[in-house]
Amino acid sequence: SQTIHQWPATLVQPVGSPLSLECTVEGTSNPNLYWYRQAAGRGLQLLFYSVGIGQISSEVPQNLSASRPQDRQFILSSKKLLLSDSGFYLCAWRVNRQGGETQYFGPGTRLLVL
Amino acid sequence: LAKTTQPISMDSYEGQEVNITCSHNNIATNDYITWYQQFPSQGPRFIIQGYKTKVTNEVASLFIPADRKSSTLSLPRVSLSDTAVYYCLVGDRRRTGANNLFFGTGTRLTVIP
Repeated sequence: SQTIHQWPATLVQPVGSPLSLECTVEGTSNPNLYWYRQAAGRGLQLLFYSVGIGQISSEVPQNLSASRPQDRQFILSSKKLLLSDSGFYLCAWRVNRQGGETQYFGPGTRLLVL
Repeated sequence: LAKTTQPISMDSYEGQEVNITCSHNNIATNDYITWYQQFPSQGPRFIIQGYKTKVTNEVASLFIPADRKSSTLSLPRVSLSDTAVYYCLVGDRRRTGANNLFFGTGTRLTVIP
């Protein structure tokens, strides 16, 4: 079965520090992968998506970046965190299923920038 | 990109049927309508998806009128565990690789004992 992992689950970082969040999927090959951010009480904001190794598309310009070094690995990074980077970060992958397509989400990483 | 409009919040008593309506006036011919459920500190979870008329699964029903400019998620006999945020999305499944599913702020459903 397909599984999606994210770590760490929770992270507290000072302003200006670097960031690296990791997402891996199991049980599938060549998945379409996505990074979302959700601020407290808000909807999900799409940050990046990737259709394959080394292929990254950015939806919103900001101080974050993403990389896909392996087929089933998606990394979200920052060189210098801002207070506004605090939020709940979700990795997702998209599958085609009968009747349409859906996205499956990982457990998320809660980031607090102080 | 077809955007959606949903009520911000709804309250319901346990055991009642809940209907959450979503407007998507700019829905395109190839767009599907998908509903997700999200509990606090968890990622959204797929509930149901449809293109037209009615779709039913073990969790919910989805009603889509002929013009497809709106859709209604129906949750039968809700329980306290159905308290969550519900998102309505529309997206073109032909656009492989590009995420065309827009998550709005959703509808916060609170089930009252």
